[in-house]
Amino acid sequence: TQLLEQSPQFLSIQEGENLTVYCNSSSVFSSLQWYRQEPGEGPVLLVTVVTGGEVKKLKRLTFQFGDARKDSSLHITAAQPGDTGLYLCAGAAFGAGSYQLTFGKGTKLSVIP
Amino acid sequence: NAGVTQTPKFRVLKTGQSMTLLCAQDMNHEYMYWYRQDPGMGLRLIHYSVGEGTTAKGEVPDGYNVSRLKKQNFLLGLESAAPSQTSVYFCASSYSIPGRATDTQYFGPGTRLTVL
Repeated sequence: TQLLEQSPQFLSIQEGENLTVYCNSSSVFSSLQWYRQEPGEGPVLLVTVVTGGEVKKLKRLTFQFGDARKDSSLHITAAQPGDTGLYLCAGAAFGAGSYQLTFGKGTKLSVIP
Repeated sequence: NAGVTQTPKFRVLKTGQSMTLLCAQDMNHEYMYWYRQDPGMGLRLIHYSVGEGTTAKGEVPDGYNVSRLKKQNFLLGLESAAPSQTSVYFCASSYSIPGRATDTQYFGPGTRLTVL
Protein backbone atom coordinates (compact mmCIF):
# COMPACT_ATOMS: atom_id res chain seq x y z
CA THR A 1 0.00 0.00 0.00
CA GLN A 2 1.41 3.34 -1.06
CA LEU A 3 1.39 6.05 1.59
CA LEU A 4 1.23 9.79 1.03
CA GLU A 5 2.34 12.05 3.83
CA GLN A 6 0.96 15.58 3.76
CA SER A 7 2.38 18.45 5.75
CA PRO A 8 1.48 20.54 7.52
CA GLN A 9 -1.75 19.02 8.79
CA PHE A 10 -3.13 22.42 9.79
CA LEU A 11 -2.19 25.89 8.58
CA SER A 12 -3.62 29.21 9.69
CA ILE A 13 -2.31 32.31 7.94
CA GLN A 14 -3.21 35.94 7.34
CA GLU A 15 -4.67 37.13 4.08
CA GLY A 16 -1.89 38.07 1.65
CA GLU A 17 0.68 35.61 2.96
CA ASN A 18 2.26 32.86 0.89
CA LEU A 19 2.21 29.19 1.82
CA THR A 20 3.39 25.80 0.65
CA VAL A 21 1.83 22.41 1.29
CA TYR A 22 3.87 19.25 0.80
CA CYS A 23 2.94 15.74 -0.24
CA ASN A 24 5.63 13.08 0.13
CA SER A 25 5.95 9.35 -0.42
CA SER A 26 8.56 6.65 -0.77
CA SER A 27 6.55 5.21 -3.67
CA VAL A 28 6.49 6.27 -7.30
CA PHE A 29 3.17 7.41 -8.72
CA SER A 30 2.10 7.55 -12.35
CA SER A 31 0.40 10.86 -11.63
CA LEU A 32 -0.54 13.05 -8.73
CA GLN A 33 -3.66 15.07 -8.20
CA TRP A 34 -4.59 17.90 -5.87
CA TYR A 35 -8.15 18.37 -4.64
CA ARG A 36 -9.83 21.02 -2.52
CA GLN A 37 -12.70 20.14 -0.25
CA GLU A 38 -15.03 22.56 1.49
CA PRO A 39 -17.08 21.64 4.58
CA GLY A 40 -20.09 19.47 3.77
CA GLU A 41 -19.02 18.88 0.18
CA GLY A 42 -17.03 16.36 -1.81
CA PRO A 43 -13.48 17.03 -3.02
CA VAL A 44 -13.06 18.94 -6.27
CA LEU A 45 -10.10 18.33 -8.55
CA LEU A 46 -7.70 21.26 -8.93
CA VAL A 47 -4.94 19.77 -11.06
CA THR A 48 -3.28 16.58 -12.31
CA VAL A 49 0.49 16.39 -12.79
CA VAL A 50 1.91 13.50 -14.75
CA THR A 51 5.52 14.17 -15.75
CA GLY A 52 8.40 14.26 -13.26
CA GLY A 53 9.44 17.87 -12.71
CA GLU A 54 6.18 19.19 -14.14
CA VAL A 55 4.96 22.57 -12.93
CA LYS A 56 1.38 23.74 -13.41
CA LYS A 57 -0.14 27.06 -12.47
CA LEU A 58 -3.74 27.80 -11.69
CA LYS A 59 -4.04 31.53 -11.03
CA ARG A 60 -2.30 32.02 -7.65
CA LEU A 61 -1.73 28.28 -7.14
CA THR A 62 1.44 26.58 -8.36
CA PHE A 63 1.74 22.80 -8.37
CA GLN A 64 4.95 20.86 -8.82
CA PHE A 65 5.59 17.15 -9.29
CA GLY A 66 8.95 15.90 -8.04
CA ASP A 67 11.52 14.71 -10.55
CA ALA A 68 11.26 11.15 -9.23
CA ARG A 69 7.43 11.30 -9.14
CA LYS A 70 7.40 10.57 -5.41
CA ASP A 71 6.45 13.98 -4.08
CA SER A 72 4.56 17.12 -4.91
CA SER A 73 3.99 20.61 -3.58
CA LEU A 74 1.25 23.19 -3.73
CA HIS A 75 2.24 26.84 -3.36
CA ILE A 76 -0.33 29.57 -2.89
CA THR A 77 0.70 33.17 -3.45
CA ALA A 78 -1.10 35.98 -1.64
CA ALA A 79 -3.65 33.73 0.02
CA GLN A 80 -7.25 34.92 0.19
CA PRO A 81 -10.10 33.88 2.50
CA GLY A 82 -11.66 32.03 -0.44
CA ASP A 83 -8.67 29.66 -0.39
CA THR A 84 -9.80 28.29 2.96
CA GLY A 85 -10.50 24.57 2.82
CA LEU A 86 -9.04 21.08 3.05
CA TYR A 87 -6.37 20.36 0.45
CA LEU A 88 -5.84 16.72 -0.47
CA CYS A 89 -3.16 15.18 -2.61
CA ALA A 90 -3.80 11.84 -4.30
CA GLY A 91 -1.37 9.59 -6.11
CA ALA A 92 -2.32 7.10 -8.80
CA ALA A 93 -0.63 3.71 -8.89
CA PHE A 94 -1.43 0.20 -10.02
CA GLY A 95 -2.56 -2.12 -7.27
CA ALA A 96 -5.08 -4.93 -6.65
CA GLY A 97 -5.79 -5.31 -10.34
CA SER A 98 -6.39 -1.72 -11.29
CA TYR A 99 -5.08 1.77 -11.01
CA GLN A 100 -6.27 3.36 -7.79
CA LEU A 101 -5.91 6.68 -6.05
CA THR A 102 -4.22 6.87 -2.67
CA PHE A 103 -5.11 10.01 -0.76
CA GLY A 104 -3.06 11.91 1.75
CA LYS A 105 -4.68 12.87 5.05
CA GLY A 106 -5.08 16.47 3.98
CA THR A 107 -3.99 19.96 4.97
CA LYS A 108 -6.64 22.13 6.55
CA LEU A 109 -5.99 25.74 5.52
CA SER A 110 -7.57 28.75 7.19
CA VAL A 111 -6.96 32.17 5.70
CA ILE A 112 -7.84 34.94 8.11
CA PRO A 113 -9.05 38.24 6.64
CA ASN B 1 -26.84 17.61 -15.48
CA ALA B 2 -26.72 16.75 -11.77
CA GLY B 3 -23.27 15.11 -11.79
CA VAL B 4 -22.93 12.66 -8.87
CA THR B 5 -25.75 12.44 -6.36
CA GLN B 6 -25.92 10.47 -3.14
CA THR B 7 -28.85 9.43 -0.98
CA PRO B 8 -29.42 9.77 1.87
CA LYS B 9 -27.43 12.78 3.11
CA PHE B 10 -27.60 11.76 6.76
CA ARG B 11 -28.44 8.53 8.54
CA VAL B 12 -28.31 7.22 12.08
CA LEU B 13 -28.25 3.46 12.61
CA LYS B 14 -28.16 1.19 15.60
CA THR B 15 -25.50 -1.48 15.82
CA GLY B 16 -26.53 -4.50 13.79
CA GLN B 17 -28.93 -2.70 11.48
CA SER B 18 -28.48 -2.77 7.74
CA MET B 19 -28.75 -0.08 5.11
CA THR B 20 -27.92 0.77 1.51
CA LEU B 21 -26.36 3.97 0.23
CA LEU B 22 -27.22 4.92 -3.32
CA CYS B 23 -24.93 6.73 -5.72
CA ALA B 24 -26.09 7.91 -9.14
CA GLN B 25 -24.18 9.65 -11.92
CA ASP B 26 -25.48 11.09 -15.17
CA MET B 27 -22.15 11.52 -16.97
CA ASN B 28 -22.06 8.04 -18.54
CA HIS B 29 -18.88 7.21 -16.62
CA GLU B 30 -17.56 3.67 -16.60
CA TYR B 31 -15.67 3.92 -13.31
CA MET B 32 -17.32 4.41 -9.94
CA TYR B 33 -15.90 4.39 -6.41
CA TRP B 34 -16.94 4.37 -2.80
CA TYR B 35 -14.68 6.07 -0.24
CA ARG B 36 -14.96 6.74 3.46
CA GLN B 37 -13.49 9.81 5.12
CA ASP B 38 -12.62 9.84 8.79
CA PRO B 39 -10.98 12.64 10.78
CA GLY B 40 -7.22 12.48 10.40
CA MET B 41 -7.41 9.55 7.99
CA GLY B 42 -8.06 11.12 4.62
CA LEU B 43 -10.12 9.30 2.00
CA ARG B 44 -9.89 5.53 1.86
CA LEU B 45 -11.22 3.41 -0.99
CA ILE B 46 -13.82 0.82 0.03
CA HIS B 47 -14.89 -0.73 -3.28
CA TYR B 48 -14.84 0.30 -6.89
CA SER B 49 -16.30 -0.70 -10.23
CA VAL B 50 -14.79 -0.54 -13.69
CA GLY B 51 -18.09 -1.09 -15.46
CA GLU B 52 -21.65 -2.32 -15.22
CA GLY B 53 -21.81 -5.69 -13.50
CA THR B 54 -18.24 -5.56 -12.16
CA THR B 55 -16.99 -4.68 -8.69
CA ALA B 56 -13.68 -4.99 -6.86
CA LYS B 57 -12.32 -4.50 -3.36
CA GLY B 58 -10.39 -1.43 -2.36
CA GLU B 59 -8.28 -0.70 0.69
CA VAL B 60 -10.96 -1.16 3.40
CA PRO B 61 -13.71 -3.48 2.07
CA ASP B 62 -14.56 -5.47 5.21
CA GLY B 63 -18.15 -5.05 6.39
CA TYR B 64 -19.35 -3.60 3.09
CA ASN B 65 -20.84 -4.99 -0.09
CA VAL B 66 -21.51 -3.25 -3.39
CA SER B 67 -23.47 -3.78 -6.58
CA ARG B 68 -23.41 -2.13 -10.01
CA LEU B 69 -26.47 -3.48 -11.79
CA LYS B 70 -26.87 -0.34 -13.89
CA LYS B 71 -24.07 1.76 -15.31
CA GLN B 72 -25.33 4.91 -13.67
CA ASN B 73 -25.82 3.48 -10.18
CA PHE B 74 -23.42 2.15 -7.57
CA LEU B 75 -24.85 0.84 -4.30
CA LEU B 76 -22.97 0.43 -1.04
CA GLY B 77 -24.48 -1.92 1.53
CA LEU B 78 -23.83 -2.41 5.21
CA GLU B 79 -25.25 -5.76 6.29
CA SER B 80 -24.67 -5.37 10.03
CA ALA B 81 -23.58 -1.88 10.98
CA ALA B 82 -20.88 -1.36 13.61
CA PRO B 83 -19.81 1.84 15.42
CA SER B 84 -16.48 1.63 13.54
CA GLN B 85 -18.43 2.33 10.36
CA THR B 86 -19.41 5.78 11.57
CA SER B 87 -17.97 7.99 8.87
CA VAL B 88 -18.69 10.24 5.92
CA TYR B 89 -19.10 8.21 2.74
CA PHE B 90 -18.30 9.65 -0.66
CA CYS B 91 -19.12 8.24 -4.04
CA ALA B 92 -17.12 9.26 -7.10
CA SER B 93 -17.14 8.52 -10.78
CA SER B 94 -14.67 8.99 -13.62
CA TYR B 95 -14.46 8.55 -17.36
CA SER B 96 -11.02 6.97 -17.38
CA ILE B 97 -8.78 5.10 -14.98
CA PRO B 98 -6.77 6.93 -12.31
CA GLY B 99 -3.32 7.89 -13.50
CA ARG B 100 -4.33 9.17 -16.89
CA ALA B 101 -3.67 12.86 -17.37
CA THR B 102 -7.27 13.26 -18.46
CA ASP B 103 -8.73 11.46 -15.47
CA THR B 104 -11.00 13.44 -13.20
CA GLN B 105 -12.90 11.87 -10.36
CA TYR B 106 -16.17 13.67 -9.68
CA PHE B 107 -17.36 13.35 -6.12
CA GLY B 108 -20.84 13.40 -4.68
CA PRO B 109 -21.74 15.55 -1.66
CA GLY B 110 -21.34 12.69 0.82
CA THR B 111 -23.49 10.74 3.27
CA ARG B 112 -22.87 11.25 6.95
CA LEU B 113 -23.52 7.95 8.76
CA THR B 114 -23.58 7.50 12.51
CA VAL B 115 -23.79 4.03 14.03
CA LEU B 116 -24.78 3.98 17.70
